[in-house]
Amino acid sequence: DTEVTQTPKHLVMGMTNKKSLKCEQHMGHRAMYWYKQKAKKPPELMFVYSYEKLSINESVPSRFSPECPNSSLLNLHLHALQPEDSALYLCASSQSTKNIQYFGAGTRLSVL
Amino acid sequence: GESVGLHLPTLSVQEGDNSIINCAYSNSASDYFIWYKQESGKGPQFIIDIRSNMDKRQGQRVTVLLNKTVKHLSLQIAATQPGDSAVYFCADNLTGNQFYFGTGTSLTVIP
Repeated sequence: DTEVTQTPKHLVMGMTNKKSLKCEQHMGHRAMYWYKQKAKKPPELMFVYSYEKLSINESVPSRFSPECPNSSLLNLHLHALQPEDSALYLCASSQSTKNIQYFGAGTRLSVL
Repeated sequence: GESVGLHLPTLSVQEGDNSIINCAYSNSASDYFIWYKQESGKGPQFIIDIRSNMDKRQGQRVTVLLNKTVKHLSLQIAATQPGDSAVYFCADNLTGNQFYFGTGTSLTVIP
């Protein structure tokens, strides 16, 4: 089983809203990731968690706040987003940061 | 920053023909590469990987070739099928802590 589950699949929010994206994996992976992907572009790394600790933050604006409650779950809290933040947000996991990453289907986010 | 890139953004092939998707990387210290396939509305899906101590690796209908001399790798898909239509990304694990994705090549299979 190489499944990474993301919810919701679609999200529409206003610039003053607060929402959260969720990601779950039950493969025993110890590294989890958030990526942002714009149309016709490659995924761009946002955050890396290794053993439930934030190890990489790619200079992401503070309106994006990641959280790793346990080794199976990864959240991305959203607050005061801008329309340019509209994108596909992908979660991935891997055994370690040196191994193959397995991706979820993503959350399609629209900020109005 | 990113160290991988692709030569061609789009590729069209006839069903049944072989497809070749290319990727160039800039840092000779890169030692691990992965090819991903991303279909419309889905997340990237692992296809095949190769480490720098290898020149070639084969999977089911796919082969990855690595030429370290010119810092180039390619993905070959045999007997391309309509289900192979997707965007293909190469990714490079240069730092050992994260993968950098190349630009992507959109493959269209013509029935």
